Amino acid sequence: NAGVTQTPKFRVLKTGQSMTLLCAQDMNHEYMYWYRQDPGMGLRLIHYSVGEGTTAKGEVPDGYNVSRLKKQNFLLGLESAAPSQTSVYFCASSNLMGLPETQYFGPGTRLLVL
Amino acid sequence: AQSVTQLDSHVSVSEGTPVLLRCNYSSSYSPSLFWYVQHPNKGLQLLLKYTSAATLVKGINGFEAEFKKSETSFHLTKPSAHMSDAAEYFCVVSEVQGAQKLVFGQGTRLTINP
Repeated sequence: NAGVTQTPKFRVLKTGQSMTLLCAQDMNHEYMYWYRQDPGMGLRLIHYSVGEGTTAKGEVPDGYNVSRLKKQNFLLGLESAAPSQTSVYFCASSNLMGLPETQYFGPGTRLLVL
Repeated sequence: AQSVTQLDSHVSVSEGTPVLLRCNYSSSYSPSLFWYVQHPNKGLQLLLKYTSAATLVKGINGFEAEFKKSETSFHLTKPSAHMSDAAEYFCVVSEVQGAQKLVFGQGTRLTINP
């Protein structure tokens, strides 16, 4: 049982390049989330999903797109990377049961945009 | 709107002495409250959560937190610090059931001196 995994662990992009971050969970969770973490700040929610085929905007969605084609996977896309998107990205998942729900986090993806 | 303020960006204690990490929250409704810990270059791990069943919440690794509605506080404590407690700690609030959109505090970096 790997929990929540993220691919890649680290990536360097040039301004204007695109990339996709992959999040996978093996806990059969319904809900999945993408956050970004910047120095001196807590995590901020980018997008989230309440189930396969559904997505919704979080606090800071601009410049990102997401897809949830399979229940276990949640993809975060950057169509045209900007230096302001340099950050550490965390994926999380949670289940319907056990309110308030515990979110389980992946190890993070460190992204540097030059 | 809900918000969280962690009153100290950095706390330094000696090994074996008590730990106090302070958190105040703002919420229009009965909140769900969490403390997460992040060790260097790791993902976030849940320490404890407030479910409204009891105001004193016990978590992992000897940590506990007390919910005080009158003071809108949810401070994290531990009687005796251990070197392995050195990490970043986040106080988190959430009001929404179902897909919980967590709101994070800025974080408190805990340093343990030998």
